[in-house]
Amino acid sequence: AQTVTQSQPEMSVQEAETVTLSCTYDTSESDYYLFWYKQPPSRQMILVIRQEAYKQQNATENRFSVNFQKAAKSFSLKISDSQLGDAAMYFCAYRGNTPLVFGKGTRLSVIA
Amino acid sequence: NAGVMQNPRHLVRRRGQEARLRCSPMKGHSHVYWYRQLPEEGLKFMVYLQKENIIDESGMPKERFSAEFPKEGPSILRIQQVVRGDSAAYFCASSPSSYNSPLHFGNGTRLTVT
Repeated sequence: AQTVTQSQPEMSVQEAETVTLSCTYDTSESDYYLFWYKQPPSRQMILVIRQEAYKQQNATENRFSVNFQKAAKSFSLKISDSQLGDAAMYFCAYRGNTPLVFGKGTRLSVIA
Repeated sequence: NAGVMQNPRHLVRRRGQEARLRCSPMKGHSHVYWYRQLPEEGLKFMVYLQKENIIDESGMPKERFSAEFPKEGPSILRIQQVVRGDSAAYFCASSPSSYNSPLHFGNGTRLTVT
């Protein structure tokens, strides 16, 4: 079964600085998708960024980018120019031939 | 285009009662997923449905839990004879097709069992 591991339960970053959240996964599939979701205190699950495994180029969405290392099964999220509104739980997720599998999350605090 | 709608937002039940959670997927989406989130945990998959069919229920407890997605109307997650351990946030998500589409989530229903 596929598993997703987020080894950092909590992280903090100064406003305007850069932070990287780690994620590793385990799979025997060759074709799959990886996602980062943000969950603010409102509890809403917001899709931040998505990466197709067959694409070598790392996905980027404005201040959010990923470092996808397929051989290492690593999928980290980099947030640049952090803003107070970035404070939330961040979940890494994997989807292959099974429904979406989530990691346990990383709580990100942004310090003004 | 309305997003995934879940209701109620909060639901309080006493032990032994039934809980019914509703989910209306986004327009044009025929795939529905239910997830459960315990405090300080990630989301755990429960069940995947298409219209009138259960595709994957590998995450559903064998007893007391059931789900449906009828031809007309919302998807329903039903929990019979609730116990305190059922207290959690239950999220519904939908997608227009199968595994290569990102899931769009509702705001969840927080179930509290007293």
